Amino acid sequence: GQSLEQPSEVTAVEGAIVQINCTYQTSGFYGLSWYQQHDGGAPTFLSYNALDGLEETGRFSSFLSRSDSYGYLLLQELQMKDSASYFCAALNSGGYQKVTFGTGTKLQVIP
Amino acid sequence: DTAVSQTPKYLVTQMGNDKSIKCEQNLGHDTMYWYKQDSKKFLKIMFSYNNKELIINETVPNRFSPKSPDKAHLNLHINSLELGDSAVYFCASSQEGLAGLEQYFGPGTRLTVT
Repeated sequence: GQSLEQPSEVTAVEGAIVQINCTYQTSGFYGLSWYQQHDGGAPTFLSYNALDGLEETGRFSSFLSRSDSYGYLLLQELQMKDSASYFCAALNSGGYQKVTFGTGTKLQVIP
Repeated sequence: DTAVSQTPKYLVTQMGNDKSIKCEQNLGHDTMYWYKQDSKKFLKIMFSYNNKELIINETVPNRFSPKSPDKAHLNLHINSLELGDSAVYFCASSQEGLAGLEQYFGPGTRLTVT
């Protein structure tokens, strides 16, 4: 079956850099996305990688290595408002536009 | 405002009832989705649908049925509600193909079955 594993919780200091990892096991893999979700809110799209390498979007960057079945989200210059859950999600060919979400990582930013 | 919208935001009902959740997107997207998020925050796709094909997650009970009157709407109908159906349900949309990597979510509907 399809599975994406993430650390359950990460704590980091305001202003620092944090990396959230995602390892996946899927077939027919097309790419990896990242979403942010605040408590009580909806998932919000952050970034995606369809090719290997690093994609940078402001303070957020995402990386993919297909050979390692691994990706990560990098958050720089952490702010208190970045405290949220972060999900990786794989798009694959198991049916039309099949999407599998990771287990989610709760990030706590502390002063 | 361009967005994905859902109604209602909260839904409290009794076991055995039938209910519907409506979803609309005005982003011009071709594909719409329904997700279920349980109490442990795990997000699971239930359906994906465009004008060509409906894909049903095989683990979804057939009490759940998506209904799409047009490209901009994908409603979720649930028959014979059970306690385990209590969750937050999210609608989402994207363009086709690799654009499925970039999905836009509605605000969610918190369903409580008593």
